[in-house]
Amino acid sequence: AQKITQTQPGMFVQEKEAVTLDCTYDTSDPSYGLFWYKQPSSGEMIFLIYQGSYDQQNATEGRYSLNFQKARKSANLVISASQLGDSAMYFCAMGETGGFKTIFGAGTRLFVKA
Amino acid sequence: GAVVSQHPSWVICKSGTSVKIECRSLDFQATTMFWYRQFPKQSLMLMATSNEGSKATYEQGVEKDKFLINHASLTLSTLTVTSAHPEDSSFYICSAPQGPSNQPQHFGDGTRLSIL
Repeated sequence: AQKITQTQPGMFVQEKEAVTLDCTYDTSDPSYGLFWYKQPSSGEMIFLIYQGSYDQQNATEGRYSLNFQKARKSANLVISASQLGDSAMYFCAMGETGGFKTIFGAGTRLFVKA
Repeated sequence: GAVVSQHPSWVICKSGTSVKIECRSLDFQATTMFWYRQFPKQSLMLMATSNEGSKATYEQGVEKDKFLINHASLTLSTLTVTSAHPEDSSFYICSAPQGPSNQPQHFGDGTRLSIL
C-alpha cells in the first residue's frame, strides 16, 4: 500500500542557512509523482516542487530542491538560504499513475529563526 | 493566479445550521474534485471524491448524510455540512487534478468553519 512518512514533526533553522526536510515513501506502482507543498498559517496549500519517478535528475525550483533517492525511496526537500517567510508547515505527497488519490505525509513544521 | 477558487474563506454559524462550501475550477474542467478536512497541526484527511454527474465516493468513516457533496458541472463541486455542530468545526479544503494522477493537484484556499 502507498504510504508517505515524514519523521520530523518540527524543525528549526537559522535564517540564511539550508535545511533538509525528510520524506520517505512506499509504493508498488513503478510510475508515480512526488510533491512538496507549503502550508503557511493562513492555510492555503502552496505547491513547491515535483519529481517524477522516471526523472533522472533531481528537481529544482529556485531555493527548493528535491533530493530524490529512488532506491532508498526517499524524497527529501532542501531549502537553501532560509528566509523568515519559510516558516510554515511542509507536506510531502505522492500520486500514483495507476492510482487516483494523492496521499500526504503527516507534515513537518519549520521554524526559521532570525 | 489561482486555478481553483474556494468560497467562503471563513464561516461562523450557529449549531444546527447547514453550511455550503463551493469549489470551482478556473480555466479548466474538473470531472473529479477532492474534499479534505484538516484539524489543527495535522495533515489533510481525504473525506470524499466528488465525481461530475455521479455520486461522490466517501472515505471510510465519513458520514454521507452529514457531508453532502454535489458535482453539478465540470467546474463546480459543493460540500454541504448539514446540521452542523461544534465538532464539525475544522478547516475544509478542496483540490482538483488538471492532469494524470501522478501530477500535483490544484488546491483551493480552504474554508475555516466555526460552529458556535
